Amino acid sequence: QAVLTQPSSLSGSPGASASLTCTLRSGIKVATYRISWYQQKPGSPPQYLLTYKSDSDKQQGSGVPSRFSGSKDASANAGILLISGLQSEDEADYYCMIWHGSAYVFGSGTKVTVL
Amino acid sequence: QVQLVESGGGLVKPGGSLRLSCAASGFSLSDYHMSWIRQAPGKGLEWVSYISSSSIYTRYGDSVKGRSTISRDNAKNSLSLQMNSLTAEDTAVYFCARCNGDVIDSWGQGTLVTVSS
Repeated sequence: QAVLTQPSSLSGSPGASASLTCTLRSGIKVATYRISWYQQKPGSPPQYLLTYKSDSDKQQGSGVPSRFSGSKDASANAGILLISGLQSEDEADYYCMIWHGSAYVFGSGTKVTVL
Repeated sequence: QVQLVESGGGLVKPGGSLRLSCAASGFSLSDYHMSWIRQAPGKGLEWVSYISSSSIYTRYGDSVKGRSTISRDNAKNSLSLQMNSLTAEDTAVYFCARCNGDVIDSWGQGTLVTVSS
């Protein structure tokens, strides 16, 4: 079982909200981790969006719009990236990441399509 | 403005070696830990290696452990990754990345490594 699991794809309409999940493997408690999120468009490197551990421990990447926000769902043992007011330019791959076991671990990525 | 520029990629035969380099500018390299991350064609991101700011600690992903060496020269603002015994599975774009605590906050454009006969 992978350390981080992301749905392979998600779609939404312009102006809608999109909630991307990053589920941690059983036995790895989401509460203890800072989860970072990255956006990658075709042919470009990933861009740092934000990191979220709690409402008191979070950071937004430089220049990243506030419509990108992080949260957690403890009951699902998952980190969440919320994109509010979807725009066509948000169409991209999104990856979550944690520092775990002295290594960076990435999720497999979610492809977001704006219909 | 943070800039990370990778070089050294190219076509290499299976079993061959390659040394990737990363030139850093816009920040003091000695203040940051650094990593290499790769992405195979059409695939996701895979962390490859990490080096602490003063080179005391290095870490490697299981897929490259034992055949790769990460190093840095803070005086020259450069990072390197020596890779040996390359296989087709090493074909990927390799990104140099800045680590800010447990967060990777900056990425280079990447350099493509193709392993093929």
